[in-house]
Amino acid sequence: AQTVTQSQPEMSVQEAETVTLSCTYDTSENNYYLFWYKQPPSRQMILVIRQEAYKQQNATENRFSVNFQKAAKSFSLKISDSQLGDTAMYFCAFMKGGKLIFGQGTELSVKP
Amino acid sequence: GAGVSQSPSNKVTEKGKDVELRCDPISGHTALYWYRQSLGQGLEFLIYFQGNSAPDKSGLPSDRFSAERTGGSVSTLTIQRTQQEDSAVYLCASSLDAGEETQYFGPGTRLLVL
Repeated sequence: AQTVTQSQPEMSVQEAETVTLSCTYDTSENNYYLFWYKQPPSRQMILVIRQEAYKQQNATENRFSVNFQKAAKSFSLKISDSQLGDTAMYFCAFMKGGKLIFGQGTELSVKP
Repeated sequence: GAGVSQSPSNKVTEKGKDVELRCDPISGHTALYWYRQSLGQGLEFLIYFQGNSAPDKSGLPSDRFSAERTGGSVSTLTIQRTQQEDSAVYLCASSLDAGEETQYFGPGTRLLVL
């Protein structure tokens, strides 16, 4: 069975600085997809970034980028130039066969 | 275009009552998913529908939980004889297709069972 682990329950960062959120996963699959979702206090889950396992190049979306290490089964999220609006719960998720398996989440606070 | 919508936003019910939660997926999305988010269990997959195929019900926690999708669009999640442990946020998501497509989530329904 696949599992996803986020070892940092809480993190904080100063506005404009960079922060990295960790995620590891366990699977015997070779082809799969990984995601980072953000959940602000409004409760809406918002897609941050997506990575296909068959792609070696790390995905980027503006200030958000990932460090995907397939052999190590690691998928960290880097947020550059942090903004107050980045304050939220961040979930790492593994997908195979349509179902998302989520980590426990990291609560990120961006401080002014 | 419009995103995934869910109703009601919040629901308070008494133990033993039945509840229905509704989800309207993004227009044109053929796959629809239900997840549950609770303090103790985190985010869990419940069920998903793909077109006219039989739904994948492998995540439903008990036979008190059921879901249907009418006309390939709107879905209703029904919880019968609610228990306090059913208190959670129920999230619906949709995607263009099942498989490896990105899922887009609704705002959720917060259910409180007293």
